[in-house]
Amino acid sequence: DAKTTQPPSMDCAEGRAANLPCNHSTISGNEYVYWYRQIHSQGPQYIIHGLKNNETNEMASLIITEDRKSSTLILPHATLRDTAVYYCIVRLRTDSWGKLQFGAGTQVVVTP
Amino acid sequence: GAVVSQHPSRVICKSGTSVKIECRSLDFQATTMFWYRQFPKKSLMLMATSNEGSKATYEQGVEKDKFLINHASLTLSTLTVTSAHPEDSSFYICMCSPNTGELFFGEGSRLTVL
Repeated sequence: DAKTTQPPSMDCAEGRAANLPCNHSTISGNEYVYWYRQIHSQGPQYIIHGLKNNETNEMASLIITEDRKSSTLILPHATLRDTAVYYCIVRLRTDSWGKLQFGAGTQVVVTP
Repeated sequence: GAVVSQHPSRVICKSGTSVKIECRSLDFQATTMFWYRQFPKKSLMLMATSNEGSKATYEQGVEKDKFLINHASLTLSTLTVTSAHPEDSSFYICMCSPNTGELFFGEGSRLTVL
């Protein structure tokens, strides 16, 4: 099963775009890339997911490289409430729908 | 949107007692629910997969007799920490899916064993 690599931490200025990289070089063809974030002492919050194409929703954009070996989550206008740990996850190929394995994630701190 | 609710959000218990945590999918049916555990400043660790109407599947190293999981209906799964000890103190989180590609987590339950 594919694993992901993320930088441990990242600072971002309020109002600026935050670009969070993730490497998943061993991803398989039918594995999705998911992004979640976890604010302290809360359950993880779904952000976005994708397979091949770039995706955008009200929270963020997901850019997946053509070879699918890496992706970038973009928070277009970071706010203080975006301070959280961001997890890039590749969904395992198992019989259990949705089984996820979490890495260490990226601690994002948005500063005024 | 879909919501997953956990209860209680915080619980403190004495060593040796058992604690039950509930996970409910409020507006969708979840055939499968997942239970995670998170220690302070650590990532989430999958404990077990809970399938409605059948026995849960536990990850390696997770004691099934210690962490009893019941998934009696399509909207409810329970995790019971039996004979809790201080080392069981942790943040327990459930996750489930309405099979739309999105996966939703509960708010988490913080267990403190004295």
